[in-house]
Amino acid sequence: EAGVAQSPRYKIIEKRQSVAFWCNPISGHATLYWYQQILGQGPKLLIQFQNNGVVDDSQLPKDRFSAERLKGVDSTLKIQPAKLEDSAVYLCASSSTFGAYNEQFFGPGTRLTVL
Amino acid sequence: KQEVTQIPAALSVPEGENLVLNCSFTDSAIYNLQWFRQDPGKGLTSLLLIQSSQREQTSGRLNASLDKSSGRSTLYIAASQPGDSATYLCAVWGNNNDMRFGAGTRLTVKP
Repeated sequence: EAGVAQSPRYKIIEKRQSVAFWCNPISGHATLYWYQQILGQGPKLLIQFQNNGVVDDSQLPKDRFSAERLKGVDSTLKIQPAKLEDSAVYLCASSSTFGAYNEQFFGPGTRLTVL
Repeated sequence: KQEVTQIPAALSVPEGENLVLNCSFTDSAIYNLQWFRQDPGKGLTSLLLIQSSQREQTSGRLNASLDKSSGRSTLYIAASQPGDSATYLCAVWGNNNDMRFGAGTRLTVKP
């Protein structure tokens, strides 16, 4: 079974530029999560999707971050414009469905550096 | 708001030692607690998941315990090996319907 795929693996941009990350979850997984992991900290949940609907985006900085999952499969996370404090690893995870009893599987992450 | 704390932040042990990693959380109303391993530049790998009704889970040399009432979990690693070197994260799924992570313990096992 193929795992969660993410691209790019690394991205370096200057502040005020835009950037987009892509995630392909495990086939058949209805739930998709985006996390932000700042160096030295644990991952922080940004947004959860169930199929193509948003379950929770309460921790997403909506003035600059956006995410979509149009066909209920792949997802993109965008930052526009980027700030220095957005430097982090962005992790995508998926689970078979939503809820506490469903194990999440993580991708390798995208490391973003904002200069 | 759920806060998850892991102590120590870093740990270095010689190969073969048994060790314990600690995780504490402030809100005992959780559905489950999960331990993950993170290698440098890689994503998270799930090690053990303990449901709120369970007291412990075991997988090979790993044993995780959960004391929900005191807000604590431990991860016990027996006979540590250099390949166990990684960052270990604990996470709890609570009433907010999301997963809250600790900052992790960076483990180094020296040959």
